[in-house]
Amino acid sequence: SQTIHQWPATLVQPVGSPLSLECTVEGTSNPNLYWYRQAAGRGLQLLFYSVGIGQISSEVPQNLSASRPQDRQFILSSKKLLLSDSGFYLCAWVGQGWRGYTFGSGTRLTVV
Amino acid sequence: GDSVTQMEGPVTLSEEAFLTINCTYTATGYPSLFWYVQYPGEGLQLLLKATKADDKGSNKGFEATYRKETTSFHLEKGSVQVSDSAVYFCALRRDYGGSQGNLIFGKGTKLSVKP
Repeated sequence: SQTIHQWPATLVQPVGSPLSLECTVEGTSNPNLYWYRQAAGRGLQLLFYSVGIGQISSEVPQNLSASRPQDRQFILSSKKLLLSDSGFYLCAWVGQGWRGYTFGSGTRLTVV
Repeated sequence: GDSVTQMEGPVTLSEEAFLTINCTYTATGYPSLFWYVQYPGEGLQLLLKATKADDKGSNKGFEATYRKETTSFHLEKGSVQVSDSAVYFCALRRDYGGSQGNLIFGKGTKLSVKP
């Protein structure tokens, strides 16, 4: 069966520190992968999506970047965090035939 | 561009009350429509979906009908339970250009059900 793992679950980081959030998918190949952010009062915002290894599309210009070094691994990074980067980050995947998004359990990031 | 508008919350109901969460969309063509639910501290789960006009999605007592004439996909449940307390997101998906299969979400509606 397909599963999606996202870690860490919670993270408190100081302003200016780097960030690395990881998402891995099991039980499927060549999924479309997504990073969403849920900020207070703003709903879900699509940050990045990837249709294959090394292929990253950015939806919103910001202080973040994404990489896909392996077929089932999607990483969200920042070199220097801002207070405005605080939020709930969700990874999701869609497999072949598009049966709907499957979301990870999320990472709550607080930048202090 | 495509967008989804949901009624603003929070919505507070008593157990066994009737629930309606309004959702309208703007999109060209024929998008697929979805409701996702997010329980406290968790990620999103697909609740139900409809892929064409007049389709009715249903799951766990929730229903929503794809109304093209009113561009709506309102979520309803006849009798809510405390365990239904969560944030509900309406979303659409339309394939176009390089953004294939991306979901566009509404802002979410928080539902609190009191015993």
